[in-house]
Amino acid sequence: GNSVTQMEGPVTLSEEAFLTINCTYTATGYPSLFWYVQYPGEGLQLLLKATKADDKGSNKGFEATYRKETTSFHLEKGSVQVSDSAVYFCALTPKGGSEKLVFGKGTKLTVNP
Amino acid sequence: EAQVTQNPRYLITVTGKKLTVTCSQNMNHEYMSWYRQDPGLGLRQIYYSMNVEVTDKGDVPEGYKVSRKEKRNFPLILESPSPNQTSLYFCASWRSGGTYEQYFGPGTRLTVT
Repeated sequence: GNSVTQMEGPVTLSEEAFLTINCTYTATGYPSLFWYVQYPGEGLQLLLKATKADDKGSNKGFEATYRKETTSFHLEKGSVQVSDSAVYFCALTPKGGSEKLVFGKGTKLTVNP
Repeated sequence: EAQVTQNPRYLITVTGKKLTVTCSQNMNHEYMSWYRQDPGLGLRQIYYSMNVEVTDKGDVPEGYKVSRKEKRNFPLILESPSPNQTSLYFCASWRSGGTYEQYFGPGTRLTVT
């Protein structure tokens, strides 16, 4: 079946530190991959996406590259800010399966000044 | 402004008292879905709809009902709520085709005592 595994948190960093949140997936075919972010008290919003192998999604300084050979989509940011504190979800939509997102369990990030 | 709205945002109720959580989107999306978010479990799909009058079960449909009489609305009905339905609920919508990027509402926090 389809599944997403992401590193468990919580993750606590100091401002300007480098961030990596690991995400690996299991899926048949070539899924579309997403990172969603949930700020405190809010709904989820799309952070970035990639739809095929070797695509790099980027937004707000965050990046993730679709690696088919390692079935991974790790989220990175070179210098985090306090405002990046949130819960981050890795997710996939199976190829040809438009009816759902399959989510990882989420990783809570806290950035201290 | 493109958005998904949910009401109410917070609800405390008692076991067995029927309730409805409304969801509405203004983007003319074909697809809509309900998710519940629980600590350590991430988001799990309850029901989804591919268009008016077309709905199907997600991963955790037990104890819930939905309807899609209009394209913009997708209410979630709990006919006899139980304490294990205490959760944070999100509605989402997306268009068919493309990368299936989903747009989420702000969430409804439900407590069943």
